[in-house]
Amino acid sequence: DAKTTQPPSMDCAEGRAANLPCNHSTISGNEYVYWYRQIHSQGPQYIIHGLKNNETNEMASLIITEDRKSSTLILPHATLRDTAVYYCIVRSDMRFGAGTRLTVKP
Amino acid sequence: GAGVSQTPSNKVTEKGKYVELRCDPISGHTALYWYRQSLGQGPEFLIYFQGTGAADDSGLPNDRFFAVRPEGSVSTLKIQRTERGDSAVYLCASSPTGTGIHGYTFGSGTRLTVV
Repeated sequence: DAKTTQPPSMDCAEGRAANLPCNHSTISGNEYVYWYRQIHSQGPQYIIHGLKNNETNEMASLIITEDRKSSTLILPHATLRDTAVYYCIVRSDMRFGAGTRLTVKP
Repeated sequence: GAGVSQTPSNKVTEKGKYVELRCDPISGHTALYWYRQSLGQGPEFLIYFQGTGAADDSGLPNDRFFAVRPEGSVSTLKIQRTERGDSAVYLCASSPTGTGIHGYTFGSGTRLTVV
């Protein structure tokens, strides 16, 4: 089984921030957290990753709690094209859970 | 090439037949991963290669599934005596190394349909 748990689905209004949570309570100190997303019929696409510090890139921000047992992916201004399944994984585990299906609504 | 290439993109085969699925990773990537994905589910880990050797094959569902990477680049996933339950999208990913500092780049997958 994957080391991560995520809510199965979320909705977000277009233009608003989408905050996607992930629990990884069994993560160990040197394991990275990675986020991917998958749009229908395509392979998963890399979004962002982090170890301890919060990270930001052109796609998203990643907030990791101080105890590293959970993280949140933030899409600051969601668009309709952000509708996808979002996966959080612990890199060394190589296993994906079912992810969160984010639906951005107009 | 610029990305991970998987061929064929679609494969229809009859139950009981043998199939081979090919993955061309990004040049220079030493780590290669195979996943399969059924409708509505996340990718299911099958096997991980570091160079030519299978570093973790714990995800292979049974002995009908086998994968090779003889020269440390291209990999082939082989399925014997296919069953209808093998129908899925088979995804390949590669990474510069197997360590956590590098993420995966996925191919577009091979959609296998066993009829």
